[in-house]
Amino acid sequence: SQKIEQNSEALNIQEGKTATLTCNYTNYSPAYLQWYRQDPGRGPVFLLLIRENEKEKRKERLKVTFDTTLKQSLFHITASQPADSATYLCAPDTGGNMLTFGGGTRLMVKP
Amino acid sequence: DTAVSQTPKYLVTQMGNDKSIKCEQNLGHDTMYWYKQDSKKFLKIMFSYNNKELIINETVPNRFSPKSPDKAHLNLHINSLELGDSAVYFCASSQGGQGASGNTIYFGEGSWLTVV
Repeated sequence: SQKIEQNSEALNIQEGKTATLTCNYTNYSPAYLQWYRQDPGRGPVFLLLIRENEKEKRKERLKVTFDTTLKQSLFHITASQPADSATYLCAPDTGGNMLTFGGGTRLMVKP
Repeated sequence: DTAVSQTPKYLVTQMGNDKSIKCEQNLGHDTMYWYKQDSKKFLKIMFSYNNKELIINETVPNRFSPKSPDKAHLNLHINSLELGDSAVYFCASSQGGQGASGNTIYFGEGSWLTVV
């Protein structure tokens, strides 16, 4: 069955460092993969979308990579700030107009 | 203006009761959704409607009944509430179907349902 894995343990980093979050998927080949940010008590907010024919996508301090061979997407935040602290969800499309969300990784950026 | 708004934000009710959550989007999107986020934070799709027509129904008990009076509204009615229904319910919308066409999803702020 299709499976999406994100590190369920919180990632703690120091302000100014680069945060790297991982999303692994198995048993299918998504055409797209999206990343969302969710703050406590709020709904998820779209950040970036990357297509299967794109190796990398950037938006300001954010960078997403998509390795269809490894079946993995990496989400990077450079020069991290405490305001980046949130849970980040990856969502590969699973066909049939469906997105399936991973369980999310909580990022804590300490000043 | 809030793009996707849902009410109520908090709802505490007893087992066996019937309750509704309302949702409206002002983005002009064709597709609306209901998601459930459980205590482990997994976000799972329940229903998807496109132009008032049901297109996705993901193994949800019959006690859950979505209703879309028009493409800007998708309400969720839950009958005979059970303890396991306690969760956060998110309404969302997108232009066209999610996923395959790369459309992004806009979420509401969530409705916290607690069944006691």
